[in-house]
Amino acid sequence: SQTIHQWPATLVQPVGSPLSLECTVEGTSNPNLYWYRQAAGRGLQLLFYSVGIGQISSEVPQNLSASRPQDRQFILSSKKLLLSDSGFYLCARSEGAYGYTFGSGTRLTVV
Amino acid sequence: KNEVEQSPQNLTAQEGEFITINCSYSVGISALHWLQQHPGGGIVSLFMLSSGKKKHGRLIATINIQEKHSSLHITASHPRDSAVYICALKAAGNKLTFGGGTRVLVKP
Repeated sequence: SQTIHQWPATLVQPVGSPLSLECTVEGTSNPNLYWYRQAAGRGLQLLFYSVGIGQISSEVPQNLSASRPQDRQFILSSKKLLLSDSGFYLCARSEGAYGYTFGSGTRLTVV
Repeated sequence: KNEVEQSPQNLTAQEGEFITINCSYSVGISALHWLQQHPGGGIVSLFMLSSGKKKHGRLIATINIQEKHSSLHITASHPRDSAVYICALKAAGNKLTFGGGTRVLVKP
């Protein structure tokens, strides 16, 4: 099973508050992991990807950061949320022939 | 010009109709994905294609690498097929580049 667990499903946070979204994966070890964001009415945008523990690549400059403290754990964080951070956040994994598997997503509303 | 373009952006069909969604791209790829996103937001991977044609139930996906074009067909469409269908390109490093999506509504 290449299951991805992502939580919470929805989150409402005030501007300036911190954020931590967690994604854990099952299945084979050392998967490539990704954080994507979908702003309202727009397509998916890659935020971060990781090819291994402690290895994070950022695709766009932003108010967010990512960490991979364990092989199967990928965390998206912010110290101070902005209104523009609102959106739908998806964790995903890829492994060769398995293709892509997506988590169920977190809908974040910053108020 | 975007690397991947989908058409149409919106599509409304009557139950039972044959539906085609198109995806054109301008870069070299190793594979192309068709994804389905339901209103709640969750995404399901339908197909991963690098050549030819794949079929799963009422869904058929084709790709022409030379023409840089892929199509997703839904036969005998049903209201539960209503969703956003997204074409995504897989290039180097396993990262995906996404199309803007096609919003499909199938009316009973």
